Amino acid sequence: DTEVTQTPKHLVMGMTNKKSLKCEQHMGHRAMYWYKQKAKKPPELMFVYSYEKLSINESVPSRFSPECPNSSLLNLHLHALQPEDSALYLCASSHGLAGVGGEQFFGPGTRLTVL
Amino acid sequence: AQSVTQPDIHITVSEGASLELRCNYSYGATPYLFWYVQSPGQGLQLLLKYFSGDTLVQGIKGFEAEFKRSQSSFNLRKPSVHWSDAAEYFCAVGVDSWGKLQFGAGTQVVVTP
Repeated sequence: DTEVTQTPKHLVMGMTNKKSLKCEQHMGHRAMYWYKQKAKKPPELMFVYSYEKLSINESVPSRFSPECPNSSLLNLHLHALQPEDSALYLCASSHGLAGVGGEQFFGPGTRLTVL
Repeated sequence: AQSVTQPDIHITVSEGASLELRCNYSYGATPYLFWYVQSPGQGLQLLLKYFSGDTLVQGIKGFEAEFKRSQSSFNLRKPSVHWSDAAEYFCAVGVDSWGKLQFGAGTQVVVTP
């Protein structure tokens, strides 16, 4: 299985809602990533988990809360989002780290719309 | 600071014609280099990667890229483009041991009949 899956595919939420995005991989990868991508722009890194521990938080607002329950799962909990948070949210995983030869495998993304 | 430049925001190419996408990077050491492709509304798919060794790298879908250290470039090529190659292409550099990728701004490829 060489796939990263993400659910849901689409999500519409109000600014007072709480929702979660889910990402799963069964490739035995030990690094997992959350990215945010706006239209016509490259992905922007949000969080990196390495061996189920948060390694990088790119100064992301606290209304985004990541969680890594186990080595195969990565969640992104959303609360009190703003309309400007509407974007495609991408999950990725890698064997280890890009800097030591681990290319990242991306999921199809969750298209989030905040009303 | 590390940077990745894709000089062409948009390229239009006829089906069957050759394609070359440019990528220049600024990085202190020999970088880990990647090309990804993204179809509309989809995730990114890895086309090819360069870590070391042979500077001409073969990838999927008939793509290849050449690493030129002297020019700090990693250009992507395809001899004959198919309509399904219409997509956004991102060059990326692995910039640190935490797995952070520095992406270029992307090049949108349009394929005409």
